[in-house]
Amino acid sequence: DAMVIQNPRYQVTQFGKPVTLSCSQTLNHNVMYWYQQKSSQAPKLLFHYYDKDFNNEADTPDNFQSRRPNTSFCFLDIRSPGLGDAAMYLCATSRERTSGETQYFGPGTRLLVL
Amino acid sequence: GENVEQHPSTLSVQEGDSAVIKCTYSDSASNYFPWYKQELGKGPQLIIDIRSNVGEKKDQRIAVTLNKTAKHFSLHITETQPEDSAVYFCAASISFQKLVFGTGTRLLVSP
Repeated sequence: DAMVIQNPRYQVTQFGKPVTLSCSQTLNHNVMYWYQQKSSQAPKLLFHYYDKDFNNEADTPDNFQSRRPNTSFCFLDIRSPGLGDAAMYLCATSRERTSGETQYFGPGTRLLVL
Repeated sequence: GENVEQHPSTLSVQEGDSAVIKCTYSDSASNYFPWYKQELGKGPQLIIDIRSNVGEKKDQRIAVTLNKTAKHFSLHITETQPEDSAVYFCAASISFQKLVFGTGTRLLVSP
């Protein structure tokens, strides 16, 4: 019954080694989001896809990129992870990109950078 | 841009007591205010939301109130239970579904 699925749940990578996190959804929603959440902090939006249209937040580092090959899947690529990128990465979806649409979050992937 | 402040950062109550968490927002154009509950190691889950054309909304033990004039909204949990223990985030949405989150409140309900 899981609606937003994230894999893996835990990811360990080395400093500077590229890593990819994945998200899939069974809701057939148009919008998919990626958030970064550091310990004891609020989720911070990195970017979102509205269908195939990519929307980057102004303060998202270039080190973070995303791909959405189809409606169901979205990937977060971290090209050269630094120690400061260790965090929980949350994927969320919403039916439409209008205020008032509920965002459904996945369980998150916790990234550790060694 | 929008800024959301949330208080308190930590709240401890006894089982059966009520809990109130308050948030203020800065942009009067915000029109959607969800509350999320995040349990340890899990993603945030929507528990209740309110739109700017409504002053109050209830769902069993949970209620949210909105004061547009003062630009603040509050979460009220009555008859708290240990399973209510979690981090609660308020958020405000101004446009195109971008949610701006508050800093979170860690609620601890002691048996």
